[in-house]
Amino acid sequence: KAGVTQTPRYLIKTRGQQVTLSCSPISGHRSVSWYQQTPGQGLQFLFEYFSETQRNKGNFPGRFSGRQFSNSRSEMNVSTLELGDSALYLCASSLVGFSSTDTQYFGPGTRLTVL
Amino acid sequence: AQSVTQLGSHVSVSEGALVLLRCNYSSSVPPYLFWYVQYPNQGLQLLLKYTSAATLVKGINGFEAEFKKSETSFHLTKPSAHMSDAAEYFCAVTADGNNRLAFGKGNQVVVIP
Repeated sequence: KAGVTQTPRYLIKTRGQQVTLSCSPISGHRSVSWYQQTPGQGLQFLFEYFSETQRNKGNFPGRFSGRQFSNSRSEMNVSTLELGDSALYLCASSLVGFSSTDTQYFGPGTRLTVL
Repeated sequence: AQSVTQLGSHVSVSEGALVLLRCNYSSSVPPYLFWYVQYPNQGLQLLLKYTSAATLVKGINGFEAEFKKSETSFHLTKPSAHMSDAAEYFCAVTADGNNRLAFGKGNQVVVIP
């Protein structure tokens, strides 16, 4: 079974631009979560989607948004990019995510650099 | 809200020696605890997880962890370090009904030949 895939793997943008990252979950998984990883703040939860609805949201500004499609694929968007948005963005999928016994499987991440 | 603390950002261990990574958690409800490993330029791979069954949890690559409620700990161990264990290790916690993982700061493990 194919794992979680994320595209693109690397992105370079300039301040003020916007960016869209894509995540395809493991087949059959319906929950998709996004995390931001930076050297200073570590791994931080952005949001989670299930059945095309945002179910959980972390403490990030409104410039960070996401959506999920009927096939469970998810995208996240960052508008008006700032230098501090440079990070590794990780996507994780799980079967349903209702139970904490459900395991989240991570993709390889998208490395975003903002210049 | 749940949180975890990992002390010592960098851990050096000799090849063949014991690997011990400490994780202490804070949770007002019964926690579910995870250890993930991250190799350079890769995502996170699950090593093991505690979900209230056995307190001693065995994972992949010879790692294991023990849940101790009285000490609010979930330390990760491996009896004998291998060069391939060089990576960053993250402890994470969540609670029932919530798929939101809270991660520790991570331990960068260096294996000395």
